[in-house]
Amino acid sequence: DIQMTQSPSTLSASVGDRVTITCRASQSISSWLAWYQQKPGRAPKLLIYKASSLESGVPSRFSGSGSGTEFTLTISGLQPDDFATYYCQQYYSYSPYTFGQGTKLEIK
Amino acid sequence: QVQLQESGPGLVKPSETLSLTCGVSGYSISRGYYWGWIRQPPGKGLEWIGSIYHTGSTYSNSSLKSRVTISVDTSKNQFSLKLSSVTAADTAVYYCARHGPHVPFDYWGQGTLVTVSS
Repeated sequence: DIQMTQSPSTLSASVGDRVTITCRASQSISSWLAWYQQKPGRAPKLLIYKASSLESGVPSRFSGSGSGTEFTLTISGLQPDDFATYYCQQYYSYSPYTFGQGTKLEIK
Repeated sequence: QVQLQESGPGLVKPSETLSLTCGVSGYSISRGYYWGWIRQPPGKGLEWIGSIYHTGSTYSNSSLKSRVTISVDTSKNQFSLKLSSVTAADTAVYYCARHGPHVPFDYWGQGTLVTVSS
């Protein structure tokens, strides 16, 4: 299995801040990485696909980068609606598809 | 607009079989894409269970493979999950979602909580 490791597990920030979440894969996954946002009681929402492509309708303050084994999600100018949990997921291999453990973004 | 909706019992007894169905609207399953199941235990992360193509070909997480059956009914535009011999560890919110080969999970159902308890 490809292991996905996110850091940090929890991140405290203020409205307007720029934050970065890191996701590392246990082996190369090329650019087959997605980022999701999940709010309590809601299904995950796709934000970024293929490491850096913004899903339609997602604000441009979200951006992704990386390839191979190291990836980042950056939110520039945090908005109140952005406080949520973020997950990365590799879809390079379906044996099995795997997610990171999540990063909870909290209000400082 | 593609919409998915999970349905099924919210309570299952230990050792029995969990059965859920995902109804799809706004997109015909027969047109393509894969249709998958993901679960999330309370307060924990996401785990992919398995997926099916409209032709019926399936693949699933090896950690659950022997207990998982996924089927599709294109005439009803829905697909289903059966998970046998459940234990308390199978208590989770179960989501259905659309994806493709090299396409992430782009549309999700709202999720349904299944509790395994006697």
